[in-house]
Amino acid sequence: QSALTQPASVSGSPGQSITISCTGTSSDVGGYNYVSWYQQHPGKAPKLMIYEVSNRPSGVSNRFSGSKSGNTASLTISGLQAEDEADYYCSSYTSSSTLEGVFGGGTKLTVL
Amino acid sequence: QVQLVQSGAEVKKPGASVKVSCKASGYTFTGYYMHWVRQAPGQGLEWMGWINPNSGGTNYAQKFQGRVTMTRDTSISTAYMELSRLRSDDTAVYYCARDWTAMVTIDYWGQGTLVTVSS
Repeated sequence: QSALTQPASVSGSPGQSITISCTGTSSDVGGYNYVSWYQQHPGKAPKLMIYEVSNRPSGVSNRFSGSKSGNTASLTISGLQAEDEADYYCSSYTSSSTLEGVFGGGTKLTVL
Repeated sequence: QVQLVQSGAEVKKPGASVKVSCKASGYTFTGYYMHWVRQAPGQGLEWMGWINPNSGGTNYAQKFQGRVTMTRDTSISTAYMELSRLRSDDTAVYYCARDWTAMVTIDYWGQGTLVTVSS
């Protein structure tokens, strides 16, 4: 069981906006600004989309944005496109001594 | 450009061990932590641990303590992950992944290595 909780699935129509949440604790999401989001298409390695809560790596569309409030981080995708359909994972640095649950369980985004 | 190239697919019997390699290029190998992450078929990402290629220091997820060993050879810029006492539920794609910040920000991933455990 992941320490970071994400919804199993979200969906939206092309052009709409969606938000994926990632809930942790004060030992991870709430305690540090080291939350990342990854996109993974079937059969491919994950790709970094957001780092340090709200920063986009070079080359990532500005339709992707991140934020955090308390122990919950969020990924918002605006102007949904068909190619955004993928699995999305959050991750966070954690001070847990067991270092478990670095990743959320993943959210399947379906573009209707 | 940064590249992480992993060794090929493996088929192992239960109880055996597997060692996956990850050759890094395009950057200073000793300058960035390397994580190992696995993904069982149809499942999510599971963090296994990291190695500091500079010092050789490691940190393993509690779930894998006693079964996983992460090492590196700085002369050939290669990291290794060995998992012992394999079980059928260890069947997964294993990824090496570079940590940009040493705070679990992974910016580059290997292509993945499928390990199948079957009798």
